Amino acid sequence: DQQVKQNSPSLSVQEGRISILNCDYTNSMFDYFLWYKKYPAEGPTFLISISSIKDKNEDGRFTVFLNKSAKHLSLHIVPSQPGDSAVYFCAASEGNTPLVFGKGTRLSVIA
Amino acid sequence: DAGITQSPRHKVTETGTPVTLRCHQTENHRYMYWYRQDPGHGLRLIHYSYGVKDTDKGEVSDGYSVSRSKTEDFLLTLESATSSQTSVYFCAISPGLLSSYEQYFGPGTRLTVT
Repeated sequence: DQQVKQNSPSLSVQEGRISILNCDYTNSMFDYFLWYKKYPAEGPTFLISISSIKDKNEDGRFTVFLNKSAKHLSLHIVPSQPGDSAVYFCAASEGNTPLVFGKGTRLSVIA
Repeated sequence: DAGITQSPRHKVTETGTPVTLRCHQTENHRYMYWYRQDPGHGLRLIHYSYGVKDTDKGEVSDGYSVSRSKTEDFLLTLESATSSQTSVYFCAISPGLLSSYEQYFGPGTRLTVT
């Protein structure tokens, strides 16, 4: 059973608007959450993370929100730029265990 | 960029042949990982290593073996390749396994089994 779910395979947003990527998880023991970004023919690169003791973390145009009661996190990109077009993976971990990744959401930012 | 290289970057092989993929790091990180990426499945962990000669299985380890004889090298072997192992394989490294450590990924190896 998937522990980390990204239910939207794709998302299309206009340049300058907000992109919101969602991720749900089932394991309440997860204590750290990360977002990775992947361009075609490249490896994933770390984007932003959040500890379970926080509900928000911001880094420039990127903000991650964590709602523990709903077991939901989201990545907000404001404003969206064409260079943000990529596949975004949500990942989570519990203590001393490897990361568990979602299936990814393909974001297309239209100029 | 973290110093991670993968070789080969592309390989086509026939069903039943053995295949070895290599991951090399220059960061002296303790942990190394092998993932596969497939459409509709995201990134799935195959095996990981927490030190020289210390390895453990991941979510999709059947049909794969690994070895780590040096800190910098982590090898993934398909003993007898099957078409279901056609995929893009990524190596990753991290300084630790604790939740707060990020993983850094290599550029990937595209493997096609015909």
